[in-house]
This record gives sequence, structure tokens and C-alpha cells, in this order.
Amino acid sequence: GENVEQHPSTLSVQEGDSAVIKCTYSDSASNYFPWYKQELGKRPQLIIDIRSNVGEKKDQRIAVTLNKTAKHFSLHITETQPEDSAVYFCAPDMRFGAGTRLTVKP
Amino acid sequence: GAVVSQHPSWVICKSGTSVKIECRSLDFQATTMFWYRQFPKQSLMLMATSNEGSKATYEQGVEKDKFLINHASLTLSTLTVTSAHPEDSSFYICSAPPGLADTGELFFGEGSRLTVL
Repeated sequence: GENVEQHPSTLSVQEGDSAVIKCTYSDSASNYFPWYKQELGKRPQLIIDIRSNVGEKKDQRIAVTLNKTAKHFSLHITETQPEDSAVYFCAPDMRFGAGTRLTVKP
Repeated sequence: GAVVSQHPSWVICKSGTSVKIECRSLDFQATTMFWYRQFPKQSLMLMATSNEGSKATYEQGVEKDKFLINHASLTLSTLTVTSAHPEDSSFYICSAPPGLADTGELFFGEGSRLTVL
């Protein structure tokens, strides 16, 4: 099965700064790489995803980059805002990473 | 987007009793649904894959006789926690990829918080 590692486990940034979270996976057959945001007590929600035939995807302040050779993909959030504070999970092949608790300080 | 509804949102039960959680896809048919468990401040752990009309596929370490899964229709999957114990207290969340074209994206139910006394 898929072995997923996510780093860092916690990340604190100042409002306006950028945040980067990295996810590594083991299954070279994986072809769908999503990032979910979960607020306390709520369900995870997809914020961005990428497929294996694309190296980068951007949606306003959020971007995802994929390195299939190295088997890792990263979430990039620019111009962070306090409402970005949440736990973020990568989930290749339906299996979730350990999560990253992002805190954006105003 | 696709809507997945879960019920109940929270339940408290006595040790030794069984609890059933329902997961419904409201505006699409789901041949596959996934059940996750999430302990406080931890990640979502995939418990099993529910397949319409056939047996569920359980992840390693998950007791299939304790966590009974039934997927009798294209819009409903149920998870029954049998003989629940305090260590089963957790947040249970179901999810489904929408439609026949599997985009990979998962839509999640609201989750069910189980507390076993």
C-alpha cells in the first residue's frame, strides 16, 4: 500500500508570507495528488489537486507542484491570511498524510 | 459539487452496544465509498473501501467483524460498529468519488462523532 509522509507537522507564518508543505509517497503507480484543508471539527475539503501528466497547477494564491521522479508533491500558499489557518493533508491514492497544522499570525 | 451526507453527526452509546452510521450520496451514484476514522489531532485513517453489491475491502489491522460495512445501493453505505468499546470513540467520516467518471476527488460526509461510555 501507499506510504505517505508529510512535512512539516506544524508551520507558523506571518500574515502575507508564503507557506510550503511537502508530501512524499511510495507508490509509483499513483496518478492523482490532492491537497485537503480541514478546519476543526469539520470535513476535509479539496483545495487543489494535480494529475501525473502535469508538473504544476495554480489557483489564485494556491499552487501544487509534482515531481513524479522523486515521488513528492508540494502545496504552496502565497500571501497567507489568518483564514488559511487549518490542518492540511495530502492524500495520494486515498491515503492521508499525517497533516500539517498551519497557523497564520495576523 | 457532489453532496455526501452522513448520519448521525454524533452519537453516544454504552459499552457493548452496536452503532450504525449511514453515508448517502445525495446527487450522484457511488459504486465505491471510503470509510475513514480520525482520532483527535490525528490524520484520517482509511478503514475500508465499500463496494456496491459486493463485500467491502478492509485495510490491514481493521477488524471486519467489528466494523461491518454494507453497501446495498448506489447511494447508501452503512458502517456498524459492533460491541463498541471506549477505544472505538472517534470521528468516523465517509467519502465518495462522484459519478461514474472517477476524477479522483473525494467528497466527504459531515462525519459522525462516536463516544462510547
